[in-house]
Amino acid sequence: SQQGEEDPQALSIQEGENATMNCSYKTSINNLQWYRQNSGRGLVHLILIRSNEREKHSGRLRVTLDTSKKSSSLLITASRAADTASYFCATDGNQGGKLIFGQGTELSVKP
Amino acid sequence: DSGVTQTPKHLITATGQRVTLRCSPRSGDLSVYWYQQSLDQGLQFLIHYYNGEERAKGNILERFSAQQFPDLHSELNLSSLELGDSALYFCASSPGTGNTGELFFGEGSRLTVL
Repeated sequence: SQQGEEDPQALSIQEGENATMNCSYKTSINNLQWYRQNSGRGLVHLILIRSNEREKHSGRLRVTLDTSKKSSSLLITASRAADTASYFCATDGNQGGKLIFGQGTELSVKP
Repeated sequence: DSGVTQTPKHLITATGQRVTLRCSPRSGDLSVYWYQQSLDQGLQFLIHYYNGEERAKGNILERFSAQQFPDLHSELNLSSLELGDSALYFCASSPGTGNTGELFFGEGSRLTVL
């Protein structure tokens, strides 16, 4: 079973708008990560947030983590057409050696 | 370029056949992970090797097997192939083991079973 579940499954916005994707997970974690995948390509790591962190920034990305609700959100500000991709959250489920991915959010940014 | 190399990029074969997918991790990375991505199942963790030893196993079928060699490259063997095995197979690597940090993914091997 998937550890992480993303919401929404698909998101379509205009360039310049912000995009918010949410992830919920089931068990305790050491960290939560977000990855990006362009169509048919390999996944690329975006950001990692540890279980004792609440918010993290990287460029136009902002990630929050609420361990009490077992949820995380990824905000992409001032989106660009090049941000069009699928975004996945991944958790280690406090198991080590095993990173479990959610089903992903498909983001489409229209120019 | 992640530094992880997967071959072949594309593979078309028939049901009942056997294929081997190969992965070379980033220089210096000791951990190799295999994932299967399909439209209906999403990204499924298959297996994790660290420095030649199996460390974690996921939803890997008995028809599938993997190993990591002394030079740290890894192979995923898929046998008695079925139509449902058609998928993208990804290899990823990381420096260590234990608490899982950032993974570096290859571009994948797309397997089509006819």
